[in-house]
Parts: sequence; structure tokens; C-alpha cells
Amino acid sequence: EPEVTQTPSHQVTQMGQEVILRCVPISNHLYFYWYRQILGQKVEFLVSFYNNEISEKSEIFDDQFSVERPDGSNFTLKIRSTKLEDSAMYFCASSRDRATDTQYFGPGTRLTVL
Amino acid sequence: AQSVTQPDIHITVSEGASLELRCNYSYGATPYLFWYVQSPGQGLQLLLKYFSGDTLVQGIKGFEAEFKRSQSSFNLRKPSVHWSDAAEYFCALNTDKLIFGTGTRLQVFP
Repeated sequence: EPEVTQTPSHQVTQMGQEVILRCVPISNHLYFYWYRQILGQKVEFLVSFYNNEISEKSEIFDDQFSVERPDGSNFTLKIRSTKLEDSAMYFCASSRDRATDTQYFGPGTRLTVL
Repeated sequence: AQSVTQPDIHITVSEGASLELRCNYSYGATPYLFWYVQSPGQGLQLLLKYFSGDTLVQGIKGFEAEFKRSQSSFNLRKPSVHWSDAAEYFCALNTDKLIFGTGTRLQVFP
């Protein structure tokens, strides 16, 4: 069964450093998403991406964040200058159809900012 | 405003007992509703979904959920809980993005 994969599983970085989180969505899916979950809190939407552009972003997704689909398979989330409060689990998801289809999640990347 | 509420933060049941996890939503249009389960340190696994049609939907691992429009609810049920069901359960509303509830942590005692 196809699945969403994410790398790395755990990333530790120093405050102010740039990080890139990588995701490989399910191959025939067209819509891609990033969510984050701060420890002990609920899962929050960050951004959705379709047809090589951002469809929607939350107020969390400020200028420090960017997303890219650099090739036909990867979908990346970049945090330009990490802050302590960026420490969280970051989930990638993909779906075939945006409004009515199911979003399938990857296992997540735990980001720890020191 | 669009929102999802899970009133129960933590539920403890004995193995073999029945389970009901509550979920209420607020949305002005036809809701697309989901239940996901998250085991410790793991990702989010889809249990079941409601799009339209039959208001009682069946999912994996013996779970089911009932959509009640009049109560704006989508409660998750299981007739007999297994120790392996211990996890965090999230209800979510799809408005092109998923809006999650705060989750319910299920603990199962032998």
C-alpha cells in the first residue's frame, strides 16, 4: 500500500539555523500539506500546496517558512531561521482531491530547536 | 467559525469494555469528518471518514462512528476495546484543510 514518507525522523538544530524537512507524497496525489503538532497540543494546519503553488496558509506560516516541490516526488518545508518555539512534530500529508478526499499522513519529523 | 471539539481529554476503560469518544463540530456547510489515531511517537492513521450517505460508518480495527447532523456530532465507538487500542484519537473536519480537535487520550487497563 502506498504511503507518505518523511525524512529525517528526528532533526536537532541550533536556534537561528535553517532546516529543511523532506516528504515524499503518495505518487498519484496532487495536493500536499504540512501540519505541525507542538508537544501535548493538537495538530495544526500550516500550508497546502497544489499545482506548484501555495493554495492556503495559516497565520503560523510566516515569512520564515517556505515550501517547494523541487522535483516530481519530493515536497519540502524550509524554516529559514529556527526559533525555540518551532520545536514540534511536523507532519506531511497528501491527497488526490482537495475537498473531498482523504489526507494521508507521513510518520512525522520531530524538530528540536536548542 | 469552523471548529472541532473533543470534550474528553483522557478516558480510561477496561479491556473488553465498550468505548465512545465524543466529537462535536461547527461548520456551515456539509461536513467531511474524519477520525485519526496516533500511537506514541507515531504518525496519524486514518480510522474512518464520513462524506455523505449512511450516517453510520465503519472503519478499521472494529471502530465505527455515527454522524448526527442535528447534534453536530461524530462520535467514535467500539464495542469491545483491546489493550492495543491505547492511543490518542483525533477527530478532524476537512474544509480543504483539516481542522483537528484537541484529541482524546485512551488508556486501557487489563
